[in-house]
Amino acid sequence: GAGVSQSPSNKVTEKGKDVELRCDPISGHTALYWYRQRLGQGLEFLIYFQGNSAPDKSGLPSDRFSAERTGESVSTLTIQRTQQEDSAVYLCASSLGGNQPQHFGDGTRLSIL
Amino acid sequence: RKEVEQDPGPFNVPEGATVAFNCTYSNSASQSFFWYRQDCRKEPKLLMSVYSSGNEDGRFTAQLNRASQYISLLIRDSKLSDSATYLCASYMGRRALTFGSGTRLQVQP
Repeated sequence: GAGVSQSPSNKVTEKGKDVELRCDPISGHTALYWYRQRLGQGLEFLIYFQGNSAPDKSGLPSDRFSAERTGESVSTLTIQRTQQEDSAVYLCASSLGGNQPQHFGDGTRLSIL
Repeated sequence: RKEVEQDPGPFNVPEGATVAFNCTYSNSASQSFFWYRQDCRKEPKLLMSVYSSGNEDGRFTAQLNRASQYISLLIRDSKLSDSATYLCASYMGRRALTFGSGTRLQVQP
């Protein structure tokens, strides 16, 4: 079956521009997560959605970062006024719910010039 | 102290060797542990869940030691294709996984 799908695969943009990243979770997965991974580093939690509950935004690094999810489907992560330190791979994962294993998409490689 | 700690390695082992990694966690209330494998410039892929009773999948064995707060991964008969970074992860009372920084394994011919 289809796995987690992310787009675009790569995004190169100029500092100060806004970017929008998309994640399509595995069908039936109620939980969706965004992580960031800088080159050579570990995964950094950004935000978590579970069904219709309020999202856990505790990992968002600044108010330039926001994310939305409609129901149990697609999510978008938006970064406004991008900075060079935003360059990283942004990974989306989904799971059947709490305490269940997460399955990752291929990620979006974001490069800020 | 990090919530989930791993030896970064690299572990350089010859083909056919047995290698083991440990991962320590700080929160005794942690539940649901996992091992992921991440190849260079790729996304993490779930390798196995770690159950209290331990579990085995082919050449891979995972164990959980709650008393000492660590999980382990044992790889027997290492293959060149096992070369990757191995990440441990746990739900630590939060709703998202907390990942270790990973242990790099290099299997050499």
